[in-house]
Amino acid sequence: GESVGLHLPTLSVQEGDNSIINCAYSNSASDYFIWYKQESGKGPQFIIDIRSNMDKRQGQRVTVLLNKTVKHLSLQIAATQPGDSAVYFCAEMVDYGQNFVFGPGTRLSVLP
Amino acid sequence: NAGVMQNPRHLVRRRGQEARLRCSPMKGHSHVYWYRQLPEEGLKFMVYLQKENIIDESGMPKERFSAEFPKEGPSILRIQQVVRGDSAAYFCASSSGNGNTIYFGEGSWLTVV
Repeated sequence: GESVGLHLPTLSVQEGDNSIINCAYSNSASDYFIWYKQESGKGPQFIIDIRSNMDKRQGQRVTVLLNKTVKHLSLQIAATQPGDSAVYFCAEMVDYGQNFVFGPGTRLSVLP
Repeated sequence: NAGVMQNPRHLVRRRGQEARLRCSPMKGHSHVYWYRQLPEEGLKFMVYLQKENIIDESGMPKERFSAEFPKEGPSILRIQQVVRGDSAAYFCASSSGNGNTIYFGEGSWLTVV
């Protein structure tokens, strides 16, 4: 289930189940979005991106969905594995060509 | 390794000293971003630079912090007269241009004692 920890919300899933991580973004003018995975002590790693002219994009075991009407982004991970345990951040590009703003992050914990 | 290179990975400074963090972007990238991250928190934008230009420094503290990206050499994030509150992980990212994906380095962990 999903719970709010001291700082980061945590999502716990059973190994083999599908995971859905959600993100609400702030700026309706944002037109580029990226999901990153960050393991402890490491830098954020690019997973998948999507531009605002699309509402769905698929990668290997991952799918990103974009709902511009409600300014919502989700990352779906199929058949979650222990190696998927990490903190996941969404990032939106605000003011084309300027900087990326990151969401607060969600910790994914994969249970054996 | 053609990725974003940051050094040092770990840096310990006493209060009042200066910290210099370096970032070499991916090959072919001319845009550099610096972010700061506190434990169990998200990434906070600090500054966005192109070669010899600061494009957006809206996230930089007004005092003690500065950044540069010279024509030759790495980007430098400089923190003068460090205080305990500066202790954090500092991440650099690079991209090939406006609106393109940014890729991160492994970070520099600053500890102020």
